[in-house]
Amino acid sequence: EAGVAQSPRYKIIEKRQSVAFWCNPISGHATLYWYQQILGQGPKLLIQFQNNGVVDDSQLPKDRFSAERLKGVDSTLKIQPAKLEDSAVYLCASSQDRRYEQYFGPGTRLTVT
Amino acid sequence: GQQLNQSPQSMFIQEGEDVSMNCTSSSIFNTWLWYKQEPGEGPVLLIALYKAGELTSNGRLTAQFGITRKDSFLNISASIPSDVGIYFCAGQGGTSYGKLTFGQGTILTVHP
Repeated sequence: EAGVAQSPRYKIIEKRQSVAFWCNPISGHATLYWYQQILGQGPKLLIQFQNNGVVDDSQLPKDRFSAERLKGVDSTLKIQPAKLEDSAVYLCASSQDRRYEQYFGPGTRLTVT
Repeated sequence: GQQLNQSPQSMFIQEGEDVSMNCTSSSIFNTWLWYKQEPGEGPVLLIALYKAGELTSNGRLTAQFGITRKDSFLNISASIPSDVGIYFCAGQGGTSYGKLTFGQGTILTVHP
């Protein structure tokens, strides 16, 4: 069974530029999550989708971050405009349903200069 | 919000030694998960715990869901060099399905 796919793996941008990350969850997984992991810390949930609806985006900085999950499969996370403090690894995870264990992709390492 | 305290922050051990790490929470969790993360990769699920008092093994790894539902423990027996990595606990509480709170991680170094 294929795991969670993410691209790109690495991205370097200048502050105030925009960037987008893509995620393809495990086939059949209804729930998709985006996490931000700052160096030296555990992942922090940004947004949770159940199929194509947002369940929880309470920790998403909505003035600059947006995410969508069209058709309930792939998802895109966008940052516009980026700030220096957005430098982090962005992880996508999926689960069969919200009550079940989450499986993570390899992440996208973002560096904002 | 919910906070997890994971300890120790780091461990340096010899190959063959046993390892113990734990997480404590300020509030009750319904699910405890243990992940391992290696450089440049996402966290990999090791063990999932769903009931208070539950003890679950995965090879040389054993984890327990504390009976107070506010803590969990992970033990690694007879460590080997490939056990090197960062181990994270994560908890899910109440009706916050899907909302995992992660610990700060335990960095494990194994000397051959």
